[in-house]
Amino acid sequence: DAKTTQPNSMESNEEEPVHLPCNHSTISGTDYIHWYRQLPSQGPEYVIHGLTSNVNNRMASLAIAEDRKSSTLILHRATLRDAAVYYCILRDVVSQGGSEKLVFGKGTKLTVNP
Amino acid sequence: ETGVTQSPTHLIKTRGQQVTLRCSSQSGHNTVSWYQQALGQGPQFIFQYYREEENGRGNFPPRFSGLQFPNYSSELNVNALELDDSALYLCASSKPGQGTTDTQYFGPGTRLTVL
Repeated sequence: DAKTTQPNSMESNEEEPVHLPCNHSTISGTDYIHWYRQLPSQGPEYVIHGLTSNVNNRMASLAIAEDRKSSTLILHRATLRDAAVYYCILRDVVSQGGSEKLVFGKGTKLTVNP
Repeated sequence: ETGVTQSPTHLIKTRGQQVTLRCSSQSGHNTVSWYQQALGQGPQFIFQYYREEENGRGNFPPRFSGLQFPNYSSELNVNALELDDSALYLCASSKPGQGTTDTQYFGPGTRLTVL
């Protein structure tokens, strides 16, 4: 079962910042927080991940609460191309061969208005 | 573009038939995971192949089976198709590192319709 809670949907205007929240109150000390997004008619794509500190990359920023029980994905200037379903996922460190599976919830459907 | 390809793009089968879906992983990736995504839902983990061995399985019956080849490409086979098997089937490749967290790169999926 998904260990995260996200709003079902959010709406934003083009060129404005978007803050997508995620609650993960049962997070363990070794869980990384990952975000993936799925554009219409495509497979999910990696957005960003972090453990404790805030993270930035070319796509987005990830703000992690001090107690790590919640996090926020920040899109600094939403574009129409950012309209997608955004998934917040907890993943443990890989401790043996293979990859930790991704446990998806329903995610947040982001609508971007022109 | 993730470098992960899947074939076919779309497929229509009838109940009771068998189907094989294919996935070519990104160059250098030795792990392939398969997911099923029903309409309006998030993807659900089916199983994973790591260095040609099954390496974890989700809550799917044995009629869902798979293979991974020496070049790390993979197949998903589903026998005795049921109407509820209609879904988007996604594969994701990755190259895990010991003690790290890795990124999974998804293909565009195969849309299976069972009539």
